[in-house]
Amino acid sequence: NAGVMQNPRHLVRRRGQEARLRCSPMKGHSHVYWYRQLPEEGLKFMVYLQKENIIDESGMPKERFSAEFPKEGPSILRIQQVVRGDSAAYFCASSPRMAEPYNEQFFGPGTRLTVL
Amino acid sequence: DQQVKQNSPSLSVQEGRISILNCDYTNSMFDYFLWYKKYPAEGPTFLISISSIKDKNEDGRFTVFLNKSAKHLSLHIVPSQPGDSAVYFCAASGSSNTGKLIFGQGTTLQVKP
Repeated sequence: NAGVMQNPRHLVRRRGQEARLRCSPMKGHSHVYWYRQLPEEGLKFMVYLQKENIIDESGMPKERFSAEFPKEGPSILRIQQVVRGDSAAYFCASSPRMAEPYNEQFFGPGTRLTVL
Repeated sequence: DQQVKQNSPSLSVQEGRISILNCDYTNSMFDYFLWYKKYPAEGPTFLISISSIKDKNEDGRFTVFLNKSAKHLSLHIVPSQPGDSAVYFCAASGSSNTGKLIFGQGTTLQVKP
């Protein structure tokens, strides 16, 4: 009964490189949320996806960031041309369904991105 | 625009005493509130929640109180144990129809033996 899995756990990139962060939701979960935690701050919502659909990307920076959740395989958060300010912990959460006003979200261990 | 605020970055409590963590919010559209606990190098884990139609929810040593008029909620842990030492995040949901969570900045709780 594996939980939410994220890989890699740690990722080091140089400025200008691309970062790909993967998230495998819990079995049976078809909703994925990505959050970012900057140092000394709380988690900030980035994007909400269902299989093959982006539902809410209101928290995503307008440039360089993209996310997908294909029919098969993990959800991917992609950051192009990384800058030092992208250094943060990126958390993925999954949910079995969308039930207003709240759907329980289970968090993965996070990917810590360091940009040199 | 910080819609959920935890104004105390840290709290230190003696084992066996009560820990009270506070959280304030500004958006009256929030209708569900949650507390998450986080250890270093791990993801947040759900602790307890409360709907806006209630003013109290209790689960073992953990109780959450909601004061809607003051837009304030608090988490009480009694008795506190050393294993409770962690970062506690308050989160709110319901201002949109996507279920996204809005988190506070977190409060680091240290329970001393």
